[in-house]
Amino acid sequence: GESVGLHLPTLSVQEGDNSIINCAYSNSASDYFIWYKQESGKGPQFIIDIRSNMDKRQGQRVTVLLNKTVKHLSLQIAATQPGDSAVYFCAENTGGFKTIFGAGTRLFVKA
Amino acid sequence: SQTIHQWPATLVQPVGSPLSLECTVEGTSNPNLYWYRQAAGRGLQLLFYSVGIGQISSEVPQNLSASRPQDRQFILSSKKLLLSDSGFYLCAWMDRETQYFGPGTRLLVL
Repeated sequence: GESVGLHLPTLSVQEGDNSIINCAYSNSASDYFIWYKQESGKGPQFIIDIRSNMDKRQGQRVTVLLNKTVKHLSLQIAATQPGDSAVYFCAENTGGFKTIFGAGTRLFVKA
Repeated sequence: SQTIHQWPATLVQPVGSPLSLECTVEGTSNPNLYWYRQAAGRGLQLLFYSVGIGQISSEVPQNLSASRPQDRQFILSSKKLLLSDSGFYLCAWMDRETQYFGPGTRLLVL
């Protein structure tokens, strides 16, 4: 079936640098996308979302970009901090009961 | 505000023993509820979801079952645990289109 996938399984960045986590999706009917952050031993936490009628949405230090032409989603984290170290999941929803989650990208922040 | 609880937080069980994990949601009514399993270093595998009391949909054939005896209670069970049932079990509820997760239960089957 169709699913959300990730380009990079791990990402290592220097503290203070910007991080970009990428995600590809294949279901053109998906109209709602979410990014989650999962710290070790905890449940995933909602970070930011975006609808398909938008290209960009900004939060506090995070920005989500959506490129529907190439079915690509990215999460940008500005001035990455050690506390940003976690696994990040992208997810898509077509308006139904289920959310499709990507495989996840592990972000390491080097001090 | 809504909160979701899971217990126990950690569980060590012998092979062949029964299992019961509980999830409860506060601050909402008639939520969609979900059980996921996550192997170490892996993604989320949807096990069951429920759109109402007594309504359970199973996503993958397995050694587990789920029940929803009350509106905001979701239970994951097994009659006889297998080694392969070890993992991190997450309960979630859905608000419109966004799922929110509980703290998880780490299960180790020995």
